Amino acid sequence: GQNIDQPTEMTATEGAIVQINCTYQTSGFNGLFWYQQHAGEAPTFLSYNVLDGLEEKGRFSSFLSRSKGYSYLLLKELQMKDSASYLCAGGGSYIPTFGRGTSLIVHP
Amino acid sequence: DADVTQTPRNRITKTGKRIMLECSQTKGHDRMYWYRQDPGLGLRLIYYSFDVKDINKGEISDGYSVSRQAQAKFSLSLESAIPNQTALYFCATSDSRRGYGYTFGSGTRLTVV
Repeated sequence: GQNIDQPTEMTATEGAIVQINCTYQTSGFNGLFWYQQHAGEAPTFLSYNVLDGLEEKGRFSSFLSRSKGYSYLLLKELQMKDSASYLCAGGGSYIPTFGRGTSLIVHP
Repeated sequence: DADVTQTPRNRITKTGKRIMLECSQTKGHDRMYWYRQDPGLGLRLIYYSFDVKDINKGEISDGYSVSRQAQAKFSLSLESAIPNQTALYFCATSDSRRGYGYTFGSGTRLTVV
């Protein structure tokens, strides 16, 4: 089966760094995605990891450890506009299972 | 213009009515998907299609049907709407040649009263 777990909510301060964790148990693995979703809007693609290690893209980085079934999304230099839900998704056969999302609240 | 367009954006309908949600895309992607999103439950897959002649049920297909009229069009129907189908519905596309990354439409907020 496929099970994606991530924290429900996190808070952080503007300018700080935050790490959002995601663990997965998948019967087949074909990569791990991170999406950002602002309230009432569509999810937008942030990153995709299929190999172990860290992928950096500007202020956002994503890490994957396949042996541990673990990923994280790292957000640096937080801005107020980063307040959103962050969705972890993974699985096999190009049909990822989505986690329930982590609501990140950035305060001044 | 948006790459993935959903219509309508908002809809209120009565219990028992048939309703169709439409999705069209200009990205040239071969794969299309319908998801619903409920507070606290995340995105759940209703149906997906890997090409025009391919239709597959997702984890919550009961009460829904779909039609892939062309590569660019994928519609979702609720044959007899019920209140627990009130949700935010998203259409998404992906490209099998790239193998990853969805592009989502802006969503349809459906309320069944």
